[in-house]
Amino acid sequence: TQLLEQSPQFLSIQEGENLTVYCNSSSVFSSLQWYRQEPGEGPVLLVTVVTGGEVKKLKRLTFQFGDARKDSSLHITAAQPGDTGLYLCAASTDSWGKLQFGAGTQVVVTP
Amino acid sequence: NAGVMQNPRHLVRRRGQEARLRCSPMKGHSHVYWYRQLPEEGLKFMVYLQKENIIDESGMPKERFSAEFPKEGPSILRIQQVVRGDSAAYFCASSLGGTRYYEQYFGPGTRLTVT
Repeated sequence: TQLLEQSPQFLSIQEGENLTVYCNSSSVFSSLQWYRQEPGEGPVLLVTVVTGGEVKKLKRLTFQFGDARKDSSLHITAAQPGDTGLYLCAASTDSWGKLQFGAGTQVVVTP
Repeated sequence: NAGVMQNPRHLVRRRGQEARLRCSPMKGHSHVYWYRQLPEEGLKFMVYLQKENIIDESGMPKERFSAEFPKEGPSILRIQQVVRGDSAAYFCASSLGGTRYYEQYFGPGTRLTVT
């Protein structure tokens, strides 16, 4: 059983469309991270959210942490082909950073 | 390059051989984590080390796997007598620790293929 459930598993959209991916859990986290991974590469840290209800923006990406700190969402506005990748959420349940990852959402943006 | 460095990027070993994977953390980071990504599976934690200390090895297989982070030099993940099931991508991450322990920066990974 995954601690972090990501949905959808796969998302294919056209350039210019918007998309949202979700990361849900029954556990409460002190922080949650979003990463993007491209084939053959390591995950790249996009953002960390720590406060319930927090919203962070990174250009066209908007990240939200649920009020109860159990879930998070990533919204991409006007997606571009460069946004293609595997989006992973991760969180730690201990105090030194052993991260647990969701299975990821594969996003494909076609021109 | 101030990022996390891993080498080799690709490693091919025959069954029964040893594999040594190296990781140099980001400059200023003294906390190192190893993760494994098996085909069609997500990233799984293996071990957490600080300089000269193993802090948490709860994700390491009980046999054949070991890790170290010496006072000088890179962190090493060692797999003895490799088997086909060890074929995977192995990632190293580093962090500042302290209150920023959860912000981990990953290297490009070592892709191990056991033939």
